[in-house]
Amino acid sequence: ETGVTQSPTHLIKTRGQQVTLRCSSQSGHNTVSWYQQALGQGPQFIFQYYREEENGRGNFPPRFSGLQFPNYSSELNVNALELDDSALYLCASSTANRLELRLDTQYFGPGTRLTVL
Amino acid sequence: LAKTTQPISMDSYEGQEVNITCSHNNIATNDYITWYQQFPSQGPRFIIQGYKTKVTNEVASLFIPADRKSSTLSLPRVSLSDTAVYYCLVGWGSTLGRLYFGRGTQLTVWP
Repeated sequence: ETGVTQSPTHLIKTRGQQVTLRCSSQSGHNTVSWYQQALGQGPQFIFQYYREEENGRGNFPPRFSGLQFPNYSSELNVNALELDDSALYLCASSTANRLELRLDTQYFGPGTRLTVL
Repeated sequence: LAKTTQPISMDSYEGQEVNITCSHNNIATNDYITWYQQFPSQGPRFIIQGYKTKVTNEVASLFIPADRKSSTLSLPRVSLSDTAVYYCLVGWGSTLGRLYFGRGTQLTVWP
């Protein structure tokens, strides 16, 4: 167990709807990253939040947005859902230190399985 | 970020040692090499990380040659529960968590 929790576990939506996924990071971690993992593929980086600010974004459209709260928990919001948004959404937390050279170890949650019909 | 290349799949039997090699020809001076393991419908789990030579922990060893253009994850005496996808990643702290995963290597362990 990593101490990272995500909710809900599974979710079914229809095309055009909006969805909010939630993540509680491991205690003491100040950074949360979100990934999308399609079936048979590796996780793809969506964006990262460091101390409540977005700190980098992958190749995802603006309808993917997020928040990080003062307690370092986070939300991923997806608007105008498309069929291709069906995937496992993973949240990962870490204690990023901008001075640290070693690639920070990320602790992943179990994911939310989103199905768009 | 350096691109990595790994075999798509590997098979082994229980009790054998498994070595998964990853190529990263364009690795940068500051890059670390990290391996993650993922079971179906679970998030990836950190296995091991290294910069050069050899690193060993309670679950695996990581061998990195002097030129650092490749690395080998070694799993001693695998069991059925080691069946998973293994990802090789390279990068360093400034990426602040922007991990870039390839398709990984599907390891299947047979009884």
